[in-house]
Amino acid sequence: DAKTTQPTSMDCAEGRAANLPCNHSTISGNEYVYWYRQIHSQGPQYIIHGLKNNETNEMASLIITEDRKSSTLILPHATLRDTAVYYCIVRLFSGNTPLVFGKGTRLSVIA
Amino acid sequence: DADVTQTPRNRITKTGKRIMLECSQTKGHDRMYWYRQDPGLGLRLIYYSFDVKDINKGEISDGYSVSRQAQAKFSLSLESAIPNQTALYFCATSWGASNQPQHFGDGTRLSIL
Repeated sequence: DAKTTQPTSMDCAEGRAANLPCNHSTISGNEYVYWYRQIHSQGPQYIIHGLKNNETNEMASLIITEDRKSSTLILPHATLRDTAVYYCIVRLFSGNTPLVFGKGTRLSVIA
Repeated sequence: DADVTQTPRNRITKTGKRIMLECSQTKGHDRMYWYRQDPGLGLRLIYYSFDVKDINKGEISDGYSVSRQAQAKFSLSLESAIPNQTALYFCATSWGASNQPQHFGDGTRLSIL
């Protein structure tokens, strides 16, 4: 799987949009971008994934650049409960390779 | 995720003991995984199984073994526990279709003295 690069930490004011970047410059055409988060020491929680097109669900939006070398996870109205470590992961379309977690970005939402 | 249940949630034991961590799921998923997490680090894969007859080593399988007793159950064993296996352990499941996400249990905190 391609490697990803994420900032170590970010702050966001409560109620504002949180934009979490991820670089995956060596991504191949058959690799998806997945986002998970881990709140304190709980089990990671799936957020969203995409291949080429932008995606949106009830939790977040995923914006993937046209060249697919980077993406941004957007939490539109961050709350204190969104404070967590966010992991950006790329994974082969076939699904026969497991997820490979890096160190992620620690997002702190501040009141 | 209550559909993926790990037992025990916490365990303290001594060096040299045999330990088994259990994972069961009601999601009907065919794929199951065991990860470990050390403080300040991301998750690392120990073993994974794509169906009952399939077992695969992950990144850090040394010192661990697994058993897939049924589609819904996947257990992780430490035959002779050592202190550097102290960590948070997570079980995950996923549906076999190509791009489906994994769903995680709440973890087992294991301390080996």
